Amino acid sequence: SQQGEEDPQALSIQEGENATMNCSYKTSINNLQWYRQNSGRGLVHLILIRSNEREKHSGRLRVTLDTSKKSSSLLITASRAADTASYFCATDAHSNSGYALNFGKGTSLLVTP
Amino acid sequence: NAGVMQNPRHLVRRRGQEARLRCSPMKGHSHVYWYRQLPEEGLKFMVYLQKENIIDESGMPKERFSAEFPKEGPSILRIQQVVRGDSAAYFCASSPGEGANVLTFGAGSRLTVL
Repeated sequence: SQQGEEDPQALSIQEGENATMNCSYKTSINNLQWYRQNSGRGLVHLILIRSNEREKHSGRLRVTLDTSKKSSSLLITASRAADTASYFCATDAHSNSGYALNFGKGTSLLVTP
Repeated sequence: NAGVMQNPRHLVRRRGQEARLRCSPMKGHSHVYWYRQLPEEGLKFMVYLQKENIIDESGMPKERFSAEFPKEGPSILRIQQVVRGDSAAYFCASSPGEGANVLTFGAGSRLTVL
């Protein structure tokens, strides 16, 4: 079942602005990940944050995790046209004897020059 | 390092035919995952496999769909007697093992059922 839900569904900003996307989930997790998907392509892993971490940075990306609210946010600073893509959060859910990631429906980001 | 290879990239089938989608995981990865993505939707988990074992198939439809990951060769997602509702992009991902699974995705196979 889908665990994460991203918000907003779509976001349009201009180059140079910051983009913030949110993700809410329902059950306890071990970690939360963010992925990016360009149109017609596969997903690419961006960043992983563990349940005992509150914030993580990678280049222009900043991810926060609030386990008490079961939510995460992805901030892209100083956005570029090349950041245009769909962004998905993914949470792990224990299954039988392994872990499968569950993805939300994504936020579609459009960055205009 | 070729990454996760999926083929075919595009597949067209008529209703009632069979579709076979293949996935070769990244070198060194022994875990394979299949996901389905409908237009404007997120990825829905279908099945998680290790070599010769299905670990979790809770996302697989009960009928017509099957998956395998043999000792030798790629993982296969097989859809029998396809219907129009099976039209979607099917993505394969792989990971080196359990735990904090960072998935490496293939480019996807786009199935169109006429």
